[in-house]
Amino acid sequence: AQSVTQLGSHVSVSEGALVLLRCNYSSSVPPYLFWYVQYPNQGLQLLLKYTSAATLVKGINGFEAEFKKSETSFHLTKPSAHMSDAAEYFCAVSDAGSARQLTFGSGTQLTVLP
Amino acid sequence: DAGVTQSPTHLIKTRGQQVTLRCSPKSGHDTVSWYQQALGQGPQFIFQYYEEEERQRGNFPDRFSGHQFPNYSSELNVNALLLGDSALYLCASSDSGSSYEQYFGPGTRLTVT
Repeated sequence: AQSVTQLGSHVSVSEGALVLLRCNYSSSVPPYLFWYVQYPNQGLQLLLKYTSAATLVKGINGFEAEFKKSETSFHLTKPSAHMSDAAEYFCAVSDAGSARQLTFGSGTQLTVLP
Repeated sequence: DAGVTQSPTHLIKTRGQQVTLRCSPKSGHDTVSWYQQALGQGPQFIFQYYEEEERQRGNFPDRFSGHQFPNYSSELNVNALLLGDSALYLCASSDSGSSYEQYFGPGTRLTVT
């Protein structure tokens, strides 16, 4: 069975500061990993994905994440936070099976302070 | 290029009633997955439809059922509604022949009173 743990349900950063959202996964097979963002009253938007290619993955809006197998982690970072980054962020894992169902973490609410 | 669309946007039902939610996948996608997102939680996988059949199912009771039509659109049906079924229901579509990306719709907010 797969699972995802997101450390910190709420993270606050100042505008211009580094954003670091933590995600650890558990999977018995090589995982595919994703970060999604959800703005209030909206669906999920894919930020970036890891599918066994480069371990450092770059996504939209200046976000990137690094897959570290030894630490079973896939932390999301952005060098400089912008007010528009305030949202809920979800880490998710799937496997190489045909259904590719996503298992999500419980989410991290990012607040950006002026 | 239209993305994933869902209808209705909001819905209020009474306990014991039945509800049907609808989803149209992104153009070119043939696979539809449904997720339930309770308030303050991450989405949970309900089931996935491919080639008009349920391909995989999450840990949800039989009260939750679905259907996929030849045009790849899909319906989610929930019978005998419980208060705990109140949630945001998300539809996601993907292309079985390419990447692992799932594209999500805006969701249907179901409130059971």
